Amino acid sequence: AQRVTQPEKLLSVFKGAPVELKCNYSYSGSPELFWYVQYSRQRLQLLLRHISRESIKGFTADLNKGETSFHLKKPFAQEEDSAMYYCALFWGSARQLTFGSGTQLTVLP
Amino acid sequence: DVKVTQSSRYLVKRTGEKVFLECVQDMDHENMFWYRQDPGLGLRLIYFSYDVKMKEKGDIPEGYSVSREKKERFSLILESASTNQTSMYLCASSLLAGNTEAFFGQGTRLTVV
Repeated sequence: AQRVTQPEKLLSVFKGAPVELKCNYSYSGSPELFWYVQYSRQRLQLLLRHISRESIKGFTADLNKGETSFHLKKPFAQEEDSAMYYCALFWGSARQLTFGSGTQLTVLP
Repeated sequence: DVKVTQSSRYLVKRTGEKVFLECVQDMDHENMFWYRQDPGLGLRLIYFSYDVKMKEKGDIPEGYSVSREKKERFSLILESASTNQTSMYLCASSLLAGNTEAFFGQGTRLTVV
């Protein structure tokens, strides 16, 4: 069963515009959710985790248990934000890490 | 500096060959993972391991096996490579504790011809 859904494969916004990358999850337990980012020719790396409730590079993500969502937001997109973004869920007693299908964000000048 | 190292950056193998992809981490992490990354499909979990000699199937284990004889090393094995296993393979490791960050290798681009 798909546990992490990212409905947008591609997303383009203009520089300075707000951006929201959607993520929905299905898990009956207490979710541990993350956003990872992969810049061109770089390794996949952690952007932020829900438990920290932090803002990284201007991005924030709020866990909404009622809607089972963990959308990633930034009020003013920058060209250097162009990258592939993955939502991920740590779940189960064996600690499986499941990713969504990813959203390719392009910030246009 | 934390490190997850995959033994090869690029590999070209023939159909039917047995292929070994190696991954080593130096962070004393309990968890290790193997994913394949394909356009439009994201990262799909093949196998993972939370301890030495332990392995768990992920979402797409068919055609693959794994080996974890030492804590720092996790090997992915393609018993008989097929063209549909052409992909980017990513290894990752993490602590077993909750809400912990996973660290990724640089990836191995495998082409099966």
